[in-house]
Amino acid sequence: SQELEQSPQSLIVQEGKNLTINCTSSKTLYGLYWYKQKYGEGLIFLMMLQKGGEEKSHEKITAKLDEKKQQSSLHITASQPSHAGIYLCGADLNAGGTSYGKLTFGQGTILTVHP
Amino acid sequence: NAGVTQTPKFRILKIGQSMTLQCTQDMNHNYMYWYRQDPGMGLKLIYYSVGAGITDKGEVPNGYNVSRSTTEDFPLRLELAAPSQTSVYFCAGRDRGRRSTEAFFGQGTRLTVV
Repeated sequence: SQELEQSPQSLIVQEGKNLTINCTSSKTLYGLYWYKQKYGEGLIFLMMLQKGGEEKSHEKITAKLDEKKQQSSLHITASQPSHAGIYLCGADLNAGGTSYGKLTFGQGTILTVHP
Repeated sequence: NAGVTQTPKFRILKIGQSMTLQCTQDMNHNYMYWYRQDPGMGLKLIYYSVGAGITDKGEVPNGYNVSRSTTEDFPLRLELAAPSQTSVYFCAGRDRGRRSTEAFFGQGTRLTVV
């Protein structure tokens, strides 16, 4: 089973709708990273969350970290076709000294936004 | 500012052939990684390096080899290509420090083994 589970695996929305993607860990989170990927391209870093209750926003994208639930959510407000792509969460699941910076990733969420 | 650069972007190999995926970075990252991405499976770690001359296996190392002779370069070698190695490969770099930082990814290499 996956150490990081993303849901949903795919999402189709109409332009202008709000949406939420979740990332749940089976282990303690020492850092949570959201990336976006367009087809055929590399991963673009969106946001990093480290503390429970932390919330960050960039343009219409907001990410939150719930330490008790070991979960992060990514919320997009008033979605646009430019938001389409694959969203991946990555996490530090081990304390810094033992992990050598290795990130564990969820399986990704494919987002389609219809104009 | 090039960041993490991978070559080639696309490659088709025949079963049993060998190839090297190149990765170079100009950000002075201590840590470097090779991941593979399969549909619906996220990214799986193949090998990683914590510095020049030091490498170790990740989650899915079978069929691959790496070397790290310099801080900048971290090539991935496939010796006997198999259809199961059809995937998208990503190289990444990350800094070692007291504060966590994000990993920086290359553009990926799309490999098909036929």
